[in-house]
Amino acid sequence: TQLLEQSPQFLSIQEGENLTVYCNSSSVFSSLQWYRQEPGEGPVLLVTVVTGGEVKKLKRLTFQFGDARKDSSLHITAAQTGDTGLYLCAGEVGGTSYGKLTFGQGTILTVHP
Amino acid sequence: DVKVTQSSRYLVKRTGEKVFLECVQDMDHENMFWYRQDPGLGLRLIYFSYDVKMKEKGDIPEGYSVSREKKERFSLILESASTNQTSMYLCASSPGGGLDTQYFGPGTRLTVL
Repeated sequence: TQLLEQSPQFLSIQEGENLTVYCNSSSVFSSLQWYRQEPGEGPVLLVTVVTGGEVKKLKRLTFQFGDARKDSSLHITAAQTGDTGLYLCAGEVGGTSYGKLTFGQGTILTVHP
Repeated sequence: DVKVTQSSRYLVKRTGEKVFLECVQDMDHENMFWYRQDPGLGLRLIYFSYDVKMKEKGDIPEGYSVSREKKERFSLILESASTNQTSMYLCASSPGGGLDTQYFGPGTRLTVL
């Protein structure tokens, strides 16, 4: 059973468009992270959100953590071809110090020139 | 910069063979993780380790074992490889202490024939 549901699974857009990726769960997370993975590489951390309702911005990327800490979204403004990749959300349940994460199934984003 | 290296980028083995996947991190991290990544399923945790000689099962440990004899090295062992273990294997490490970033290696694409 997938603890974290990401949607959509695939997203194909033109350069300059905006997009939102969602990450939902029935469980409460102590923190939630977003990673980006390019072909042939491992995932790389983009952001960590820890407070319900928190909004973080990273240039054209905006990350939001739901008030109840069960969901999160990633919004990209004016997408560029360099944004192409696999986006993964990952949550930590229970706040153990081991850093164990549960990952969503990922969203494959393709930005066409 | 944290560096996580994996012994092979590509590996082809036959059914029934014993397979060793090696992972080394150079930042004195406490925690290390092994995941497998399959299309549409995201990253699934196989095993993790929070200290030398300590290991915990993840979500899909069946058919795998691990070894952590030294802090910097975490090995994944497939005792008798099967075709359903064909996958991308990702190793990660994190410092420990909560709100950890996981640093990933580039992955090993294992094919079992």
